[in-house]
Amino acid sequence: SQQGEEDPQALSIQEGENATMNCSYKTSINNLQWYRQNSGRGLVHLILIRSNEREKHSGRLRVTLDTSKKSSSLLITASRAADTASYFCATIGGSGNTGKLIFGQGTTLQVKP
Amino acid sequence: EAGVAQSPRYKIIEKRQSVAFWCNPISGHATLYWYQQILGQGPKLLIQFQNNGVVDDSQLPKDRFSAERLKGVDSTLKIQPAKLEDSAVYLCASSLRDNYFSGNTIYFGEGSWLTVV
Repeated sequence: SQQGEEDPQALSIQEGENATMNCSYKTSINNLQWYRQNSGRGLVHLILIRSNEREKHSGRLRVTLDTSKKSSSLLITASRAADTASYFCATIGGSGNTGKLIFGQGTTLQVKP
Repeated sequence: EAGVAQSPRYKIIEKRQSVAFWCNPISGHATLYWYQQILGQGPKLLIQFQNNGVVDDSQLPKDRFSAERLKGVDSTLKIQPAKLEDSAVYLCASSLRDNYFSGNTIYFGEGSWLTVV
């Protein structure tokens, strides 16, 4: 079953603008990861944030985690046409979970040049 | 470094036929995963191997799906007989070890696209 729910399902912006995607999850987690999937391709790991972290940066990516609200956000700054892809959050469960990576439904991002 | 290799990339079969997908993980990766991704949805874990043992196959429809990793390296996923709802991308992935909690990066292959008609 899916754990994460991404919001919005689809996002269209102009090149240079910032893109924000949100993810909500249901159960306790050890860490949360974001992946990118270009059309017709496999998934690429972007960034991981642990449950005891609140914010993490990697290049133009900024991820926040609020465990009290069971939510995370991915911010892509100064977007480029090459950022056009689907973005998925995935969670690793806490106690009682075998460590299975559970994906959300994804946000489809279109960056117009 | 070579990535996760999968074949075939595309397959079209009729319902009730069988199909097999092959995966070769990154060299040295002990953990191998098969995910099913239906169009418009996120990937769903079908089965996870640690070396040649099964760690999790709770979401594998065992009446029609089977998977093996006999020598702890490459793996095959078989569907027999296929149903229309099996149309999806089958993603193979691997990671160095099974310790999710240390944040192992999981590397995905390009996927095998299955259409059942």
